Amino acid sequence: DVKVTQSSRYLVKRTGEKVFLECVQDMDHENMFWYRQDPGLGLRLIYFSYDVKMKEKGDIPEGYSVSREKKERFSLILESASTNQTSMYLCASSTGGLLSLVSLRYEQYFGPGTRLTVT
Amino acid sequence: QKEVEQNSGPLSVPEGAIASLNCTYSDRVSQSFFWYRQYSGKSPELIMSIYSNGDKEDGRFTAQLNKASQYVSLLIRDSQPSDSATYLCALGAGKSTFGDGTTLTVKP
Repeated sequence: DVKVTQSSRYLVKRTGEKVFLECVQDMDHENMFWYRQDPGLGLRLIYFSYDVKMKEKGDIPEGYSVSREKKERFSLILESASTNQTSMYLCASSTGGLLSLVSLRYEQYFGPGTRLTVT
Repeated sequence: QKEVEQNSGPLSVPEGAIASLNCTYSDRVSQSFFWYRQYSGKSPELIMSIYSNGDKEDGRFTAQLNKASQYVSLLIRDSQPSDSATYLCALGAGKSTFGDGTTLTVKP
């Protein structure tokens, strides 16, 4: 079974703090993704990576950065947390690499999520 | 217009009935379609994938794809209270586009 883990289930941070969210997958997947999910707004892609040290902006990258130094680990960084970044953050992974971005058959597997509250 | 449209619901069906969830999309080149189930407070989990026109069955679940009409649907037969969840439609592999989800409630 694919296993995607996230470093925290719940996190409370103060405005202006630097926040690190970690995601690890154990299936040697090439692709990794960070989403946020908010009521009424659905899943929104923040960043994704199709290889080590590669990253691509998603739909809402502002205020976030990412790091992928090892294949199994993808980190999301909030450089200076703000209250509008209070959300559920979901990490996902899939196989396929760069080719999978061209409509091939690779479903995503999600981690349990981190509910971040910024006060 | 969103790339993936789903009725937000809530959709309510009695136990044992067929639940029908629908999704329309605007991207004609997509070849991969997925249905994810998300229980309240949990993360999405994949339940069905479909790549060709027609029906694909897996237990009580049937996914239907019609590329000409640009819709994909999920039928749940013999619905159970444990099927109560939000169902997300997604298209495209690798970097998928997700709908906002339809909330299903199955009443005992």
